[in-house]
Amino acid sequence: NAGVTQTPKFQVLKTGQSMTLQCAQDMNHNSMYWYRQDPGMGLRLIYYSASEGTTDKGEVPNGYNVSRLNKREFSLRLESAAPSQTSVYFCASRTTEWGANIQYFGAGTRLSVL
Amino acid sequence: GDSVTQMEGPVTLSEEAFLTINCTYTATGYPSLFWYVQYPGEGLQLLLKATKADDKGSNKGFEATYRKETTSFHLEKGSVQVSDSAVYFCALSSNTGKLIFGQGTTLQVKP
Repeated sequence: NAGVTQTPKFQVLKTGQSMTLQCAQDMNHNSMYWYRQDPGMGLRLIYYSASEGTTDKGEVPNGYNVSRLNKREFSLRLESAAPSQTSVYFCASRTTEWGANIQYFGAGTRLSVL
Repeated sequence: GDSVTQMEGPVTLSEEAFLTINCTYTATGYPSLFWYVQYPGEGLQLLLKATKADDKGSNKGFEATYRKETTSFHLEKGSVQVSDSAVYFCALSSNTGKLIFGQGTTLQVKP
């Protein structure tokens, strides 16, 4: 069972370049999330998608766009990368188990913007 | 708004020592509480959870009790191992399903 799969695992960009981070889940979950992780700041929510066809801003959406391509896939796009976007990006999907909302995470994409 | 505060790290312990990582929260309503663990180079994994007051979550020798009166969810383990070295995140789930994370606490266990 693959769970949540993110690609690529590592990426180096120059300032101003664009790229798309891919995320796919095979657990048939409706909700999916994108976070960024920075030292000493925990994980911060960038965008989320409560269901196929819907997306909403999280805590730190500026500089990013998302696409919920279908139920399985939720991509994150940086149109013009900036050094402040150097971070580790995590995708997650959510289900409800035993009365609690449980999120499952991918292994992350480590992005450096020079 | 909702928030989670964890004790600052890093925490360095010798093998077989007792572990406590403090976590307190601020939330409206009755959130579910979680501990996630992140091993080096990996994503976050759910370690344990509690969905209502006085619930105790447990897994792999770790425990945490949902204390509504003190708004706390402290993580404990009686005897840590080198393999427990990781970053631990406390989190709460709001009614919308979003997770609010603490800043993370790094645990290093020495042989």
